[in-house]
Amino acid sequence: AQSVTQLGSHVSVSEGALVLLRCNYSSSVPPYLFWYVQYPNQGLQLLLKYTSAATLVKGINGFEAEFKKSETSFHLTKPSAHMSDAAEYFCAVSDQSGGYQKVTFGTGTKLQVIP
Amino acid sequence: DGGITQSPKYLFRKEGQNVTLSCEQNLNHDAMYWYRQDPGQGLRLIYYSQIVNDFQKGDIAEGYSVSREKKESFPLTVTSAQKNPTAFYLCASRARGSDTGELFFGEGSRLTVL
Repeated sequence: AQSVTQLGSHVSVSEGALVLLRCNYSSSVPPYLFWYVQYPNQGLQLLLKYTSAATLVKGINGFEAEFKKSETSFHLTKPSAHMSDAAEYFCAVSDQSGGYQKVTFGTGTKLQVIP
Repeated sequence: DGGITQSPKYLFRKEGQNVTLSCEQNLNHDAMYWYRQDPGQGLRLIYYSQIVNDFQKGDIAEGYSVSREKKESFPLTVTSAQKNPTAFYLCASRARGSDTGELFFGEGSRLTVL
């Protein structure tokens, strides 16, 4: 069974500092991996996705993530945090399971940006 | 603009009452999903439907029911059998042929049981 682990339920960074949100996955087959962002009382919005085309994936709002198969990781980074980046971030893994595309989410990481 | 509309945004219910959450999409997507979100627990799958008139239980289906009579609509009923229904509920959809599993989400419905 696939699973996703996000290290750190809360992360605080200063405005302008590097953002690093960690995600490790387990999957028995090559996975598809995603990062979603959620602002308070809203739905999830796709930030970026890995579909095996390239290991370094660029997304919206200056975020990127690198797929490292040897480490089973898909960490999310942004060089310089902005106040508007404060939100909750979810890592997710998708693969075929029981005849349908099963998506499993991590427990989320809340990012706080300090002025 | 295409998207997923969930209603109501906020809902209050007395214990013992059933309540139905609406989810409508105009993306022409075949698959639709209902997730429950609780603080610190991520998203947990309640039900999913891959085509009209067909749906399957997810990981936490007890106390919930769904129907899929139209492609555009996938309402969720939270029944009185659900022991702890207070949560944020998210509806999502996926396009046919999207083998990556990318999901599109609605804005969510927050249910509070008084």
